[in-house]
Amino acid sequence: DAGITQSPRHKVTETGTPVTLRCHQTENHRYMYWYRQDPGHGLRLIHYSYGVKDTDKGEVSDGYSVSRSKTEDFLLTLESATSSQTSVYFCAISELYEQYFGPGTRLTVT
Amino acid sequence: GENVEQHPSTLSVQEGDSAVIKCTYSDSASNYFPWYKQELGKGPQLIIDIRSNVGEKKDQRIAVTLNKTAKHFSLHITETQPEDSAVYFCAASDNREYGNKLVFGAGTILRVKS
Repeated sequence: DAGITQSPRHKVTETGTPVTLRCHQTENHRYMYWYRQDPGHGLRLIHYSYGVKDTDKGEVSDGYSVSRSKTEDFLLTLESATSSQTSVYFCAISELYEQYFGPGTRLTVT
Repeated sequence: GENVEQHPSTLSVQEGDSAVIKCTYSDSASNYFPWYKQELGKGPQLIIDIRSNVGEKKDQRIAVTLNKTAKHFSLHITETQPEDSAVYFCAASDNREYGNKLVFGAGTILRVKS
């Protein structure tokens, strides 16, 4: 998975609780992305980063925030989890065009 | 914004036959078109990509074609094997300075029957 790890790999949480997912890369790539994958929707971009402390919104950013304090780490936070945020979350990295994905985190909000 | 449609949603072929998956995009500014293969429980894996200045690209048994005028691109897999069974996604983006924001199709489940 191109030197990308995601943690945790699985998480079950309750509605209203905060959740933070971590993406770590060892490739020193400039760009990092968070996507969610839901049946019938493919993958949809939540937020992305184009450098340390430089982030921007994607297609489905409501209810999510991100932070990138180091090149290698990109955090996705759900401030108050809702059942609609039950999904599989993928981190990706890129330097130029090619984008490489991590193994994913399965999040269930009950 | 960009919208990518992918067809068919499921495709069953006999081992050794060819498989073709088609995608259309809406934004004429899109200039990068990757294809991903996803196996159960894993992240998407980049298998081939094409940029807008090229009409066709091949890599062994897989090829991608791009028609910018019609705004569609296709994945061709020849001599299919059981290990080609997976979900395939197309995507499009207008790669810019601040990142390569991919817009994905909904995916195609490919089943290769032996």
